[in-house]
Amino acid sequence: AQKITQTQPGMFVQEKEAVTLDCTYDTSDQSYGLFWYKQPSSGEMIFLIYQGSYDEQNATEGRYSLNFQKARKSANLVISASQLGDSAMYFCAMRELLNNAGNMLTFGGGTRLMVKP
Amino acid sequence: AAGVIQSPRHLIKEKRETATLKCYPIPRHDTVYWYQQGPGQDPQFLISFYEKMQSDKGSIPDRFSAQQFSDYHSELNMSSLELGDSALYFCASSLPVREARHEQFFGPGTRLTVL
Repeated sequence: AQKITQTQPGMFVQEKEAVTLDCTYDTSDQSYGLFWYKQPSSGEMIFLIYQGSYDEQNATEGRYSLNFQKARKSANLVISASQLGDSAMYFCAMRELLNNAGNMLTFGGGTRLMVKP
Repeated sequence: AAGVIQSPRHLIKEKRETATLKCYPIPRHDTVYWYQQGPGQDPQFLISFYEKMQSDKGSIPDRFSAQQFSDYHSELNMSSLELGDSALYFCASSLPVREARHEQFFGPGTRLTVL
């Protein structure tokens, strides 16, 4: 079974509007971390935001916020006031912290976001 | 701020050749991870090192090996290269696991093309 599912292969958003990128995850661990990374066409992986499973508040980093719904096992990324430079592939990833799961990240299939001027 | 350094950035090899990719983690980061991202794919975990010891192993072929050195830099050695090894290879580093957040910060990647 997929551990991280991103159901939107591609999305368009109008410049200056907000957009939500979906991510659902599957784990039996109680302790885990969720990450979002941005990958522009140049290829680098840029860390955006982190949410720990025990964090009570939704994470925010500038224009990025994470809508964390633990019971539904979802960790959607919200980008406010989209900019042309936000056009990129976005990956949701999970790190399971217990049960000898190791420290590696498991990635979803990604969502390609295209911002329209 | 210092970032993860990877070299070379681009590499072209023939089938059956060998390749060595290098990774220099962010200062103070003692854990290094290697990921492989095929064309149009998400990154797949290969192997990781903590304090110069292998800590986790993912879908790394037997033809590949890696190590972490005393200065914490890491090298991924790839032998008998195949066409399917063409990919973007990322190195990532993180603070010690005991640190609460331990985000993984990625290097710019090495794009390997096998002809």
